[in-house]
Amino acid sequence: AQKVTQAQTEISVVEKEDVTLDCVYETRDTTYYLFWYKQPPSGELVFLIRRNSFDEQNEISGRYSWNFQKSTSSFNFTITASQVVDSAVYFCALMIPYGGSQGNLIFGKGTKLSVKP
Amino acid sequence: DAGITQSPRHKVTETGTPVTLRCHQTENHRYMYWYRQDPGHGLRLIHYSYGVKDTDKGEVSDGYSVSRSKTEDFLLTLESATSSQTSVYFCAISEGFEQYFGPGTRLTVT
Repeated sequence: AQKVTQAQTEISVVEKEDVTLDCVYETRDTTYYLFWYKQPPSGELVFLIRRNSFDEQNEISGRYSWNFQKSTSSFNFTITASQVVDSAVYFCALMIPYGGSQGNLIFGKGTKLSVKP
Repeated sequence: DAGITQSPRHKVTETGTPVTLRCHQTENHRYMYWYRQDPGHGLRLIHYSYGVKDTDKGEVSDGYSVSRSKTEDFLLTLESATSSQTSVYFCAISEGFEQYFGPGTRLTVT
């Protein structure tokens, strides 16, 4: 069975601090995708990144960076120099792209990030 | 913008009444999904569709049915709403291996 664990329920930081959100996943499949979504207080779900299981290169997009390590089954998300607008709930998700539940996302329970000015 | 709309955006209904939520997309995506979001659970898949009249169950399908008679519309029906179905419901479409979500419907069953 597949599972995604986000052990940090809530994190609070002061603006300009760096913060890392942890994500650990479980699957026996060798082909899979990992995702991060952002849910700001307004409620919509915003796609941030997709990473496939064969690409362990870290990715950076502005102040956001992602560290994928298959050896520890982790896909962590770091925000550098956090800003108040980063306050949101962040979800990590796993997808197996084939089989009976093809394309279905398995979500972690989310981490609520509060960035204080 | 994946062109996804959901209606209604908010609904309050009484226990035992039928409720239908609508998801509408404008870009001819084949795959569509219904999720529910509850505190402490993240998002969980209810049903999904892989084409017109082709649907299947997700993790939490009990008490829900779906229909897809046109590519652009995916309907979620609660035949007899219960308080445990109070939740925020999200529709999603799949574009490649990425899912994009609608704005959500907040449903309260009293």
